[in-house]
Amino acid sequence: GAVVSQHPSRVICKSGTSVKIECRSLDFQATTMFWYRQFPKQSLMLMATSNEGSKATYEQGVEKDKFLINHASLTLSTLTVTSAHPEDSSFYICSARASSPYEQYFGPGTRLTVT
Amino acid sequence: GDSVTQMEGPVTLSEEAFLTINCTYTATGYPSLFWYVQYPGEGLQLLLKATKADDKGSNKGFEATYRKETTSFHLEKGSVQVSDSAVYFCALSDNASGNTGKLIFGQGTTLQVKP
Repeated sequence: GAVVSQHPSRVICKSGTSVKIECRSLDFQATTMFWYRQFPKQSLMLMATSNEGSKATYEQGVEKDKFLINHASLTLSTLTVTSAHPEDSSFYICSARASSPYEQYFGPGTRLTVT
Repeated sequence: GDSVTQMEGPVTLSEEAFLTINCTYTATGYPSLFWYVQYPGEGLQLLLKATKADDKGSNKGFEATYRKETTSFHLEKGSVQVSDSAVYFCALSDNASGNTGKLIFGQGTTLQVKP
């Protein structure tokens, strides 16, 4: 099946700094990528949807200036958490979708800890 | 808005026991319904799906039937194995055509199968 990778798998950063998370589709072209956030023992919450070459669409309540999303190519999307704070600590998961079939393929997730 | 509710876990079963994980949904339209599975250390994988009422999705011995009258999509397996131990997520997409766009997830149910 299609494979989606995320890098890094874990990252620890200091409060006030920025951290970038990469999401790559390894064997297919992803016209759409999704970014989710998951708190312990809670559901995945969609943060934003990004289409290659266009601006991301953010869900209500998600600060677009804080969570910068770039989908510069058909195989790579990045999420940058700017001026991170401890409350941004979470598990971030991306998924990628080709134009056909429409199934979403999920990455393994990135654990972010802000100290 | 649309939402998905799953039974709380963890669910602990002995090998070869019968499994049911309940899932109910609230949606204004005609959603497609999904079950995803997340094995330890891996990304979410699509387990099965159903795109319209009375459809039955099945895969790897798991099955779920789209029940519009009870707004449910319960996951069942007749005989679980230790290798089925994972977290199971019920989800819906607000596009009834089966085009997996924006997904709304339940909170996940952890299944532990003991030998």
